[in-house]
Amino acid sequence: QIVLSQSPAILSASPGEKVTMTCRASSSVSYMHWYQQKPGSSPKPWIYATSNLASGVPARFSGSGSGTSYSLTISRVEAEDAATYYCQQWSSNPLTFGAGTKLELK
Amino acid sequence: EVKLVESGGGLVQPGGSLRLSCATSGFTFTDYYMSWVRQPPGKALEWLGFIRNKANGYTTEYSASVKGRFTISRDNSQSILYLQMNTLRAEDSATYYCARKNYGSSPYYFDYWGQGTTLTVSS
Repeated sequence: QIVLSQSPAILSASPGEKVTMTCRASSSVSYMHWYQQKPGSSPKPWIYATSNLASGVPARFSGSGSGTSYSLTISRVEAEDAATYYCQQWSSNPLTFGAGTKLELK
Repeated sequence: EVKLVESGGGLVQPGGSLRLSCATSGFTFTDYYMSWVRQPPGKALEWLGFIRNKANGYTTEYSASVKGRFTISRDNSQSILYLQMNTLRAEDSATYYCARKNYGSSPYYFDYWGQGTTLTVSS
């Protein structure tokens, strides 16, 4: 199965800062998807097909990548962005999730 | 409005069985693949399996970790997704989510999630 490795595990940022988190796949995948999850809530689709923002996602978010390396970038972090972000691939079965990057605000 | 509402979680003894339900509304249920994903407390998401749509014969796929113990089914007349779980272990304790795969062909991702239902396996 394709293993997704997310880094860093914890990301601490100040409001207004630009941040990037990465997701590396053990084999090449065609697309990467990202979900945002806040404590006590279910995951929300955030970025799909590598670079497409889901409905309602602020434009300060962006996604990029190809092959085995993908990233999620926030141009200017806001307090509401504090959450855990999971990457997910469905290029081959079984579909797999990464372990998540927890974004904390300073 | 698309809605996915899970139910059926609770406390079960090791070795026991339980069936979770996911009641759906707001979309044509038979058009969509449906999936179960779980999340142990404080841990990452784990895909368990999915059941395909009508066009693909409602066939199923499972992760290796639950294949043979868990069964996914659907009642298309009532738009309900099920997860039958047998021979439960402590490590099956988690919040269980149902999720809908986006409509159409690749890329596949989950565009709607339920709120989750919690299973605790303990004596």
